[in-house]
Amino acid sequence: DAGVIQSPRHEVTEMGQEVTLRCKPISGHDYLFWYRQTMMRGLELLIYFNNNVPIDDSGMPEDRFSAKMPNASFSTLKIQPSEPRDSAVYFCASSFATKTYYNEQFFGPGTRLTVL
Amino acid sequence: AQSVAQPEDQVNVAEGNPLTVKCTYSVSGNPYLFWYVQYPNRGLQFLLKYITGDNLVKGSYGFEAEFNKSQTSFHLKKPSALVSDSALYFCAVRDISSSNTGKLIFGQGTTLQVKP
Repeated sequence: DAGVIQSPRHEVTEMGQEVTLRCKPISGHDYLFWYRQTMMRGLELLIYFNNNVPIDDSGMPEDRFSAKMPNASFSTLKIQPSEPRDSAVYFCASSFATKTYYNEQFFGPGTRLTVL
Repeated sequence: AQSVAQPEDQVNVAEGNPLTVKCTYSVSGNPYLFWYVQYPNRGLQFLLKYITGDNLVKGSYGFEAEFNKSQTSFHLKKPSALVSDSALYFCAVRDISSSNTGKLIFGQGTTLQVKP
């Protein structure tokens, strides 16, 4: 398996532009997570999906951020408009559930976003 | 509230010496605990997990962790450190605060520096 795939790996944009980050989870996984990592705030969970349905979006910083999962093999995280403080590494992770829900998450390589 | 604490921002150890990276947790009920490692410019990689059973859990790259219920700790250990073990280590606990339990709560991370 190729693991979790994220694109692009690097994104440089100007303030005010729309940014779309993409994620393909591991086939068969039914949970998908979006995280953001910065030096100041560490690793933050933004939103997660179960069976393509958003379960908890309490970590989404503000209305400029939105996430979708139109099918089991694809998710997007969109920032519109982007601001310099959105600069971070964004990770996607996936996992699968069993009766006891204790399965580990598999992380993608991340997208390094720089907003100028 | 459930939480995970990694009391040390950085741990320094000489190559060949044993290493310990500390983690304490606070959860109601039985904890499901995880350790992840992050190498520079990479995503998080799963190392090991404790669900139930033997308190000493063995994982990837020669790492192990000891679950101690009375001290609410889950310290990561390795008998002989390698320079290549230098990385950022995260402890995590499964969030059981809601019926949908796919979420993990991560600690702030501990940087391990192994010197030759």
